[in-house]
Amino acid sequence: KNEVEQSPQNLTAQEGEFITINCSYSVGISALHWLQQHPGGGIVSLFMLSSGKKKHGRLIATINIQEKHSSLHITASHPRDSAVYICAVSGGYGGSQGNLIFGKGTKLSVKP
Amino acid sequence: DAGVTQSPTHLIKTRGQQVTLRCSPKSGHDTVSWYQQALGQGPQFIFQYYEEEERQRGNFPDRFSGHQFPNYSSELNVNALLLGDSALYLCASGIAGGGGNEQFFGPGTRLTVL
Repeated sequence: KNEVEQSPQNLTAQEGEFITINCSYSVGISALHWLQQHPGGGIVSLFMLSSGKKKHGRLIATINIQEKHSSLHITASHPRDSAVYICAVSGGYGGSQGNLIFGKGTKLSVKP
Repeated sequence: DAGVTQSPTHLIKTRGQQVTLRCSPKSGHDTVSWYQQALGQGPQFIFQYYEEEERQRGNFPDRFSGHQFPNYSSELNVNALLLGDSALYLCASGIAGGGGNEQFFGPGTRLTVL
């Protein structure tokens, strides 16, 4: 079992729809990261959170430390949101504070 | 302010060859981490450099080695290339002791081994 699990693996939505991507993890962490990866490879950090909720524009990230679960929401989705969204966790276990452990990503496609 | 830069963008090598990838961290950052991302998978941690030393290492063989220079830039070297080394190699920089280990990623180097 992977230490970071994401669902769904693939997601197709119509423009304007509300989107939720889920992430569960099985290790202790100091922070959880949501990242966006466009075709071609470059990764952009969207959020880093250790508790509660963060909002940036149409993106909202929440985390429940007790349940070891986080969600990424996109409101009023747009075709330019099409990308792979990756959940990653860092710190707090086995001395491996220096690295991130990644989920496999959720490929989102938003149709006009 | 330039972000994290990597070179080259793409690289094609044959089995058995050696390759060197380069990374310059974001201004003000002093740690560099390297990740390997196979097609359709999430990135896997290779190692992290800080103060010119390898501080942590993931589950990668000794064929993978690195270096960090006094200006914080870093190199990833892979010897005796295998077909399975074909992947996107990502570099990320951060600040040592930065809470939560926020990292900024470069655009990656796509390595193809034939």
